[in-house]
Amino acid sequence: QKEVEQNSGPLSVPEGAIASLNCTYSDRGSQSFFWYRQYSGKSPELIMSIYSNGDKEDGRFTAQLNKASQYVSLLIRDSQPSDSATYLCAVKRGNTDKLIFGTGTRLQVFP
Amino acid sequence: SQTIHQWPATLVQPVGSPLSLECTVEGTSNPNLYWYRQAAGRGLQLLFYSVGIGQISSEVPQNLSASRPQDRQFILSSKKLLLSDSGFYLCALSSGRGYNEQFFGPGTRLTVL
Repeated sequence: QKEVEQNSGPLSVPEGAIASLNCTYSDRGSQSFFWYRQYSGKSPELIMSIYSNGDKEDGRFTAQLNKASQYVSLLIRDSQPSDSATYLCAVKRGNTDKLIFGTGTRLQVFP
Repeated sequence: SQTIHQWPATLVQPVGSPLSLECTVEGTSNPNLYWYRQAAGRGLQLLFYSVGIGQISSEVPQNLSASRPQDRQFILSSKKLLLSDSGFYLCALSSGRGYNEQFFGPGTRLTVL
């Protein structure tokens, strides 16, 4: 079992729809969770971080964390073509400073 | 605000040649620094991390090495490149405090022929 798992996609959604990206992790002791956006050929950009169970909203983005189910998700409301990218889920391992990354989900938003 | 510089942006090297990639940061002091590699179609792999000058931890045994000669400088090196060293090399930093979010530099795309 991979430490952090994501569906590779592509996830295709129409413009204006809600995109839902999912991630599961294996280390029950993980405390910090991050979503990065990576455009093709570019470096990852941190877009959301979440540390407590529940929802965290920032503009069109909502991160959801369920530690009991070891599940973290990212919702993108009113999806735009400019949101088309690969979204990487990252989990901080235990009480270290190291991040474990999933392989990413490719999102395609079509007009 | 903090800034991460990496150079070169792209690099094509023959097998067996040496490598030196440099990462410098601005706008922060005593950061944690990281080297990652992203191979084509694969996830980010942590190669090295450093919590201070001269302090290097290796995550994956391989023909690469890292050094941190100054607080804001992190160098990735190899004496002899392999074909499998091709990839996108990313330097990242975190504050080492609080939630310790990591931020990435622009990366160096290395092709070994």
